[in-house]
Amino acid sequence: NAGVTQTPKFQVLKTGQSMTLQCAQDMNHNSMYWYRQDPGMGLRLIYYSASEGTTDKGEVPNGYNVSRLNKREFSLRLESAAPSQTSVYFCASSEVTSGRDEQYFGPGTRLTVT
Amino acid sequence: SQKIEQNSEALNIQEGKTATLTCNYTNYSPAYLQWYRQDPGRGPVFLLLIRENEKEKRKERLKVTFDTTLKQSLFHITASQPADSATYLCALDRGDSSYKLIFGSGTRLLVRP
Repeated sequence: NAGVTQTPKFQVLKTGQSMTLQCAQDMNHNSMYWYRQDPGMGLRLIYYSASEGTTDKGEVPNGYNVSRLNKREFSLRLESAAPSQTSVYFCASSEVTSGRDEQYFGPGTRLTVT
Repeated sequence: SQKIEQNSEALNIQEGKTATLTCNYTNYSPAYLQWYRQDPGRGPVFLLLIRENEKEKRKERLKVTFDTTLKQSLFHITASQPADSATYLCALDRGDSSYKLIFGSGTRLLVRP
């Protein structure tokens, strides 16, 4: 039981390059989330998927796209990376999208855009 | 504007003492408040959840209080140990139909042996 896994762990991109961050969970959770964490800013929600087949914007969606490939997998794509997207990205999952449900986080992807 | 505030300065305490961390919020009416622990280079890990109609919740050495009048939650670790050193994040639901969590920026706790 691996929980939430993310790939890659580290990535360096040049401005304008694209990449996809992968996330998978094996807990049969309905809801999945992508956050970014910057120093002093806390975790900010980029996109989330309340259930398979649905996706919605969070607080900071500009410059990102997501795909809920199936119930297990939720990917985050940067089409044209910018230095402002340098951050640590966390994927999380929960049983449902609810304030009463704990979220399970992956180990994070550290992305640097030069 | 809506805001969650946690002390950005690290809390430095002696082993065996009680650590108390604060989470204040404005312009939210959360039904639930959660606390997470985050170690360096790792993702957050859930610790405790408290509902708006609960004043206090305990789990082993951890205690959380939730005062909806003061708009504040306190997180206590009793008999603290060096292994408790980490960053602690509070998170609350927005109190609207979105049910999404909003996270504070966290407070770093250092427990000296």
